[in-house]
Amino acid sequence: DSGVTQTPKHLITATGQRVTLRCSPRSGDLSVYWYQQSLDQGLQFLIQYYNGEERAKGNILERFSAQQFPDLHSELNLSSLELGDSALYFCASSVVSGGAGTQYFGPGTRLTVL
Amino acid sequence: DQQVKQNSPSLSVQEGRISILNCDYTNSMFDYFLWYKKYPAEGPTFLISISSIKDKNEDGRFTVFLNKSAKHLSLHIVPSQPGDSAVYFCAALKNFGNEKLTFGTGTRLTIIP
Repeated sequence: DSGVTQTPKHLITATGQRVTLRCSPRSGDLSVYWYQQSLDQGLQFLIQYYNGEERAKGNILERFSAQQFPDLHSELNLSSLELGDSALYFCASSVVSGGAGTQYFGPGTRLTVL
Repeated sequence: DQQVKQNSPSLSVQEGRISILNCDYTNSMFDYFLWYKKYPAEGPTFLISISSIKDKNEDGRFTVFLNKSAKHLSLHIVPSQPGDSAVYFCAALKNFGNEKLTFGTGTRLTIIP
């Protein structure tokens, strides 16, 4: 158990819909990262927040957005969903921002868009 | 553009033998490399890392080797145990201090009892 929690575990929705994925980092961790893993692909970095502020951005679609709240939990919002958005979405946290700060991953949310 | 490549999708190794997982990268700006292990229905777990100023790092049964001139790294597991069966991801950081991890596509390791 990494100490990072993600809800829900599974999500099934239809195209065009909007969903929110939630992540609670390990106690004391200030950084939260979001990754997407599509079928047979590696994890693709989406976005990172550090202590409430956006810190780094990857290839995140404009239809996706995220935020980190004062209690340090984070939410990833996915809107106008398409079939290709079906994937595993992982959240990770670390104490520091970047460098050798080990990222601890949650169990992921499996999103299925029908 | 796959900057971190793991060309072997799967690998089977006899228990007790050495497992060698390979990873190649194309971006010479990467200066820190990590290996993560992933079991089904779980998130990746950090295993071992290496800075580009080193060519070897060892932690128990796990050793990572880095060949910068070849832009190649490998993870050696010896002796291999059934609990090592998992998917292994290689990842790289650019400009130590940058937050973005670039992952390979993973290698599924199966240890045969």
